[in-house]
Amino acid sequence: NAGVTQTPKFQVLKTGQSMTLQCAQDMNHNSMYWYRQDPGMGLRLIYYSASEGTTDKGEVPNGYNVSRLNKREFSLRLESAAPSQTSVYFCASSPTSGRAVGNIQYFGAGTRLSVL
Amino acid sequence: QKEVEQNSGPLSVPEGAIASLNCTYSDRGSQSFFWYRQYSGKSPELIMFIYSNGDKEDGRFTAQLNKASQYVSLLIRDSQPSDSATYLCAVRVIGPKIQGAQKLVFGQGTRLTINP
Repeated sequence: NAGVTQTPKFQVLKTGQSMTLQCAQDMNHNSMYWYRQDPGMGLRLIYYSASEGTTDKGEVPNGYNVSRLNKREFSLRLESAAPSQTSVYFCASSPTSGRAVGNIQYFGAGTRLSVL
Repeated sequence: QKEVEQNSGPLSVPEGAIASLNCTYSDRGSQSFFWYRQYSGKSPELIMFIYSNGDKEDGRFTAQLNKASQYVSLLIRDSQPSDSATYLCAVRVIGPKIQGAQKLVFGQGTRLTINP
């Protein structure tokens, strides 16, 4: 049972290049999330998907797009990378619908992205 | 004012002592609170969650919640060097119905070092 799997683990891009970060979960979770983590900033939500077929903006969506390909997979795309997007990106998933207080998010190992 | 605030530390505690980590939040309607541990270069992992006023204990860890003061804390008893990590406080956002997704707002994290 792999949990939440992110690819790639590391990536270096030049300004203006595009790329897609992949995320897949095998826990049959409904909801999935993309965060970025910068030093001293904690985790900030980029986009999330409450369920298959739905996506919505989080706190810092500018410069990103997402696709919820199916229940398992949620990808994050940078169309034209900028140095300000240098960060560590985490994908997470959580189980059930509804507002159960224990609706815990489980994180992938992260993608370390540098934009030069 | 940030929605979730933590002292970024570093907090240095001798081995065997009690480590006390604190978090304040601004949304008085928040109801679910989470503590994640993150080792350097790794992803966040859940330690505990709490949603009722008072204390919740799990082994060496105790979460404390005071909704009137909008304050949540994590106590680590008998601190071990393996507890050295960054501890992230997260609060579930109360707002428009998100149809199952659980939006969390994270503090910036407190870096804890346990000295042998």
